[in-house]
Amino acid sequence: NAGVIQTPRHKVTGKGQEATLWCEPISGHSAVFWYRQTIVQGLEFLTYFRNQAPIDDSGMPKERFSAQMPNQSHSTLKIQSTQPQDSAVYLCASSLVDSSAETLYFGSGTRLTVL
Amino acid sequence: AQKVTQTQTSISVVEKTTVTMDCVYETRDSSYFLFWYKQTASGEIVFLIRQDSYKKENATVGHYSLNFQKPKSSIGLIITATQIEDSAVYFCAMRDYNQGKLIFGQGTKLSIKP
Repeated sequence: NAGVIQTPRHKVTGKGQEATLWCEPISGHSAVFWYRQTIVQGLEFLTYFRNQAPIDDSGMPKERFSAQMPNQSHSTLKIQSTQPQDSAVYLCASSLVDSSAETLYFGSGTRLTVL
Repeated sequence: AQKVTQTQTSISVVEKTTVTMDCVYETRDSSYFLFWYKQTASGEIVFLIRQDSYKKENATVGHYSLNFQKPKSSIGLIITATQIEDSAVYFCAMRDYNQGKLIFGQGTKLSIKP
């Protein structure tokens, strides 16, 4: 079991460029989550999917951020027109089922730096 | 709205002693789940232990145990016989029943000295 795989590990973009972050959940896991981690805000929930369907995107900035899960083996987080304040570690997590008691398994994260 | 608060920014203890980390939470739900996760220096986040709100017994896993005080909306993490490798940032988190979103506290950095 390879765990949750996130690529790339590091990404540097110029202000105004687009960034796409990839996540491969643990095989067989039906729920996929995206979080953002910064020193100031800590671990912030962005969005999550259940069986590839978007369930809660209440943490997603309304503009420029979008997430998709086209199949059960990967999810993407896309940030358009990146801004310096988007610099953060973006973490993907998955859980076996979408249950309130279920444990989340986190990937190693993608560190996004916007210059 | 849900909220999780960890007021201790950092703690430093000597190896082999016991440490307690505090966490208080806010929720309107009568049923919920409380979690502790650990983030190592490499950035890896791993699950440690869970407390179900309807259970009166404090959860225990290995040298981790919880001090669940429901009337105070408090869920403390106790680590006994600390080891150098316990040095990490510890996050408290909660999830309401039938909710997918897991809300995290700000974290407490634990340093274990030899």
